[in-house]
Amino acid sequence: DAGVTQSPTHLIKTRGQQVTLRCSPISGHKSVSWYQQVLGQGPQFIFQYYEKEERGRGNFPDRFSARQFPNYSSELNVNALLLGDSALYLCASSEGGQPQHFGDGTRLSIL
Amino acid sequence: AQSVSQHNHHVILSEAASLELGCNYSYGGTVNLFWYVQYPGQHLQLLLKYFSGDPLVKGIKGFEAEFIKSKFSFNLRKPSVQWSDTAEYFCALEGFQKLVFGTGTRLLVSP
Repeated sequence: DAGVTQSPTHLIKTRGQQVTLRCSPISGHKSVSWYQQVLGQGPQFIFQYYEKEERGRGNFPDRFSARQFPNYSSELNVNALLLGDSALYLCASSEGGQPQHFGDGTRLSIL
Repeated sequence: AQSVSQHNHHVILSEAASLELGCNYSYGGTVNLFWYVQYPGQHLQLLLKYFSGDPLVKGIKGFEAEFIKSKFSFNLRKPSVQWSDTAEYFCALEGFQKLVFGTGTRLLVSP
């Protein structure tokens, strides 16, 4: 079975630009969460979506937004990129209270 | 506030040595606890989880962890490490629809 898939794997942007990251959950999983992992730190929670509704939001500015589609895939959008947004962005999916399964992540570099 | 502390940032061991990685948490409710592992170049994978019941939980690849409620701890152990255990290990708790991670411990096992 396919795991959580994320695209693209790498992305280079400049300050002020906007970026969209994509995530496809494991088949049958309705919950998708997004995390930011800065070098040397653990993943930090950004959003959780379940059945297309936002169920949780971490301590991130309004430049960060997300949505979930009817097929349970999800997009994370970041506007007005800052140097500090450089990080590995992880997507995780889960269902039925079971542990989250993580994708390989999208490495975003801001120049 | 929810938080996870991992005391060891870097650990170096020889093969066959015993491993114990410390994890302490702060959370004002019923807690679900996890250890995730990230092997070089791979995504985060679940090692083991504690939801309730027996405080000694066994995971994959010979790892185990003990939940000690009075100490707010969930330490990871392995009696004899192998070179293939070289990875980064993250302790996490689940609360309010999200995972809260520690900063991680980089383990290097020398042959």
